[in-house]
Amino acid sequence: QSALTQPASVSGSPGQSITISCTGTSSDVGGYNYVSWYQQHPGKAPKFMIYDVSNRPSGVSDRFSGSKSGNTASLTISGLQAEDEADYYCVSYTSSTTLVFGGGTKLTVL
Amino acid sequence: EVQMVESGGGLVKPGGSLRLSCAASGFTFSNAWMNWVRQAPGKGLEWVGRIKSKPVGGTTDYAAPVKGRFTISRDDSKNTVYLQMNSLKIEDTAVYYCSTGGFFFDYWGQGTLVTVSS
Repeated sequence: QSALTQPASVSGSPGQSITISCTGTSSDVGGYNYVSWYQQHPGKAPKFMIYDVSNRPSGVSDRFSGSKSGNTASLTISGLQAEDEADYYCVSYTSSTTLVFGGGTKLTVL
Repeated sequence: EVQMVESGGGLVKPGGSLRLSCAASGFTFSNAWMNWVRQAPGKGLEWVGRIKSKPVGGTTDYAAPVKGRFTISRDDSKNTVYLQMNSLKIEDTAVYYCSTGGFFFDYWGQGTLVTVSS
């Protein structure tokens, strides 16, 4: 199972919106609504941000939203803030009953 | 409050074995599906494997790079999940996290470092 494809880096200015893509295949992202997203600051454990494509766990800011079209899922962060600067990872369930991560995207807040 | 504490990491030679533990509290462990996720130094996250709860069979799934070498087990009486790692390779060097969840990872431990080196 190959890793899902994410851009290595994205950037944006405070207050702007950015979108991180996560591209897989019909055997993972496109085949199931089991895409989730995680935020990781340096030296810290990942934080659960989005599940089942577009649902936010309790306590996660509504500035974070998720969507999916075909084999590509997306995470959008609106009203960018300095503390959003982190690495972001997508995960999908697969037809092999495994889970697969994306390669990760480094978000820089300019 | 949900807490998970990994332990058992350390330095091991290539070909060696190590067993990691993850002690959980703050939720009904026996109903939880548990995962191991790892992160090599400076690299991204990688799913290692998962064990389902016993009510739904307690079965395991593994990522291809570790299948046949790693084994996940659980002791519901101790609220603990284990990762037995055999035939370790240099590329298994990573921080290993345990996490809860079936199709996503909602709670995470702080991780334990495994270094495979001669």
